[in-house]
Amino acid sequence: RKEVEQDPGPFNVPEGATVAFNCTYSNSASQSFFWYRQDCRKEPKLLMSVYSSGNEDGRFTAQLNRASQYISLLIRDSKLSDSATYLCVRLTGGGNKLTFGTGTQLKVEL
Amino acid sequence: EAGVTQFPSHSVIEKGQTVTLRCDPISGHDNLYWYRRVMGKEIKFLLHFVKESKQDESGMPNNRFLAERTGGTYSTLKVQPAELEDSGVYFCASSQTGTGGEAFFGQGTRLTVV
Repeated sequence: RKEVEQDPGPFNVPEGATVAFNCTYSNSASQSFFWYRQDCRKEPKLLMSVYSSGNEDGRFTAQLNRASQYISLLIRDSKLSDSATYLCVRLTGGGNKLTFGTGTQLKVEL
Repeated sequence: EAGVTQFPSHSVIEKGQTVTLRCDPISGHDNLYWYRRVMGKEIKFLLHFVKESKQDESGMPNNRFLAERTGGTYSTLKVQPAELEDSGVYFCASSQTGTGGEAFFGQGTRLTVV
């Protein structure tokens, strides 16, 4: 089983829709998680950190469910510019190594 | 402020040749990482430097890969001799001390071994 698993998608949604992605992890001792965003042929960029009970940043909300070992990313009022691949990432190796999921592709359409 | 820069952006080499990738981290970032994405797979960790010291090289595929970070500034990743399965995108990232999860990535070097 992979350390971090994501549905690859693609998720095709209309502009203005709300969309949610889940990511499951296998190591129950994992403490820190992040969502990174990667545009086509670009580098990954940090979108949000997810600590303990999760957090919210504008239209984006990240939640951590330790009992079920998953994290989620909710995007409200989707914009065309939100189209990208969203990477679920776990911090390991004593806090210095990132373990990536394969990513979930989002396409926001008119 | 300049971000993480990598050179070259693309490299096409023949099997058996040598290639050296370079990464310039953000100034002041002690942590420097190399990651690789092979087509169809997730991004995978290769190694981690703290200043000039290798902190963790558990992800290096084999001894054909050699990474250095001279003087704790820029880093190089050399592949010698290159094999077909080494093709992929090599990302470098850097972060400040204590913020390992908040890494800044370079745009990557797309390596193609033919």
